[in-house]
Amino acid sequence: QSVLTQPPAVSGAPGQTISISCTGSSSNIGAGFDVHWYQQAQGAAPKLLIYGNNHRPSGVPDRFAGSKSGTSGSLAITGLQAEDEADYYCQSFDISLSGGYIFGTGTKVTVL
Amino acid sequence: EVQLVESGGGVIQPGGSLRLSCSASGFTLSNFWIHWVRQAPGGGLVYVARIKPDASRAEYADSVKGRFTISRDNAKNMVYLQMNSLRVEDTAVYYCAREGPVIIKNFDYWGQGTLVTVPS
Repeated sequence: QSVLTQPPAVSGAPGQTISISCTGSSSNIGAGFDVHWYQQAQGAAPKLLIYGNNHRPSGVPDRFAGSKSGTSGSLAITGLQAEDEADYYCQSFDISLSGGYIFGTGTKVTVL
Repeated sequence: EVQLVESGGGVIQPGGSLRLSCSASGFTLSNFWIHWVRQAPGGGLVYVARIKPDASRAEYADSVKGRFTISRDNAKNMVYLQMNSLRVEDTAVYYCAREGPVIIKNFDYWGQGTLVTVPS
């Protein structure tokens, strides 16, 4: 089950900046666990986009930036490009759930 | 280059069994936790199971506990997911994923996925 809540959809014109929120609780993000972000293009596997709240793996453009505050995380995409159109998922760890690894509900980003 | 390649998916009737395989290359499998994550058609990502690097411990989501078994053979660079008593709601693309540094608790590499369909 998803215990991290994201907006279902966000859109923006090329060149604009958009932001995606990821709202958790005191048993996951608020407990100090990191927020990670994945990008999933249509028909493709997820790809790690941001790890440890605000770190980009090698090869990820600096247009993508993550942050964390309290019980929430956030992903910002600046200078939106057509290739950014995809689904985005946040992920963290929850100490109250069996297994513990949890994902957000997912956000569809549309480039207008 | 790190690669994970899943296989073994297909159409299986409710109550049936299926074994998924995940072939790893480009890294030392015995150093990493490996997970299975699934995604129902049109749905989000859901953690299924994970296995410790030396296979001494396995953990499962409540939805599959008692029905699925994760295992690994580091010498063959393989991880498996044995799925028994399959249900319609197990229909999904199943991904194997490598867990990054343990303290981080994320997934740094993913396979391309294999589709399991349990028709109603």
